[in-house]
Formats: sequence, structure tokens, C-alpha cells
Amino acid sequence: IAGITQAPTSQILAAGRRMTLRCTQDMRHNAMCWYRQDLGLGLRLIHYSNTAGTTGKGEVPDGYSVSRANTDDFPLTLASAVPSQTSVYFCASSDSGVGANVLTFGAGSRLTVL
Amino acid sequence: GQNIDQPTEMTATEGAIVQINCTYQTSGFNGLFWYQQHAGEAPTFLSYNVLDGLEEKGRFSSFLSRSKGYSYLLLKELQMKDSASYLCAGTDSNYQLIWGAGTKLIIKP
Repeated sequence: IAGITQAPTSQILAAGRRMTLRCTQDMRHNAMCWYRQDLGLGLRLIHYSNTAGTTGKGEVPDGYSVSRANTDDFPLTLASAVPSQTSVYFCASSDSGVGANVLTFGAGSRLTVL
Repeated sequence: GQNIDQPTEMTATEGAIVQINCTYQTSGFNGLFWYQQHAGEAPTFLSYNVLDGLEEKGRFSSFLSRSKGYSYLLLKELQMKDSASYLCAGTDSNYQLIWGAGTKLIIKP
């Protein structure tokens, strides 16, 4: 089934640890992005990539990094996790430009930082 | 600043009609999206409006007024499975998406 796969589904992490959330899509979409979703707030963009080899910062990029080595994969890394990074993380993709087209979302990764 | 406002929560009865409103303030405007998100799941696309007027898709319709910075999502013949959060998102002049916090819709029998 075509779509986006995120891993892990859920993770509890000690503060200060490094963590990589994985995201893979098989739709050959050019654009990919990462959002975090917190109760009472709208989705907030962390990082995005409009095409393989390029990345950009979103609204809340601090403490996160991404890479886009190929079209299909867009991992999100927390170099040194802090409790404020406890959230649900969604990876999404679109045919072109994350703000200009319909987004397809992954199922989400629930991260708890203690 | 840029902002999307929508009610936090609404309650409606199975079989009835409900209208979820969204007002937006963006730097420029390139369209408005509605997404549905069931609890614990990913958002899924419902509709996109860039021109004024009503777009109908089965039981769901979406309306846009660019001059008023206003949109609504209309759900008819409500079913229990329509219980979900409905997310409004506007696209600004740089094609950046600005998201509302979502409206949680509770359907009662």
C-alpha cells in the first residue's frame, strides 16, 4: 500500500539522549516535512525539504536536524532530547511544495522525553 | 502576524448538520485546506478552496470567502464516525501552511 511509514510508533527516551525518527515514502513525492503536534496547538512545522538534497527550517527547528539524501527518506534527529520535545511527530509528503499541495501524513511517532 | 482561528470543540447529533467555522489572517493567500483527524491517527485531506464559493463532496462541503478571510466546513447527515478533529490550514504568499489548533467534533446518538 502506497504511503508514508514512520518508525518508531512510540518511544520513551531519557533526556540528553540522541534519537532519530525515521520516515519513508513510496509515492515518489518531491516534498517532505516534519510537524510536531501538541495539545491545544496547531501543527507546527519543524523542517521541510522541497526536493532531494535540499532542506529548510520551519517554525520550530531548534534542537532538530534533518537530511534528505534521496527522494524516499527524510529522517528527523534530536541530538540531545529535552522534555519540551515530548510530542507527537508527523512526517508528511506532497507532490511539490509542502504548502502548495495536498499533504499525505504518516501515522505519527509519539515521543516522550523524561 | 499570521493566525488561524477555529472553535475548540463542538457537539452535534447523529443525522444532523454541523458547520465548523475558520477565520484566517495570512500574509497573502493561496488557498485554504481542511483536514480530518481521528483520535490517535494521522490527518487526512478533506478539501481545498482557493476561489470564493462552495465546494461540495458528498456529505462534506467547504466554503470560502476571500474578502472576509473566512471559511467553513459543512457536514451533513452526521454519522458517529464523523467524530474527529477538523483542522483548518491557510497558505500564505510564500506557500507556507498556517494551521489552526483544530475543532474537536463530538457526535451524540
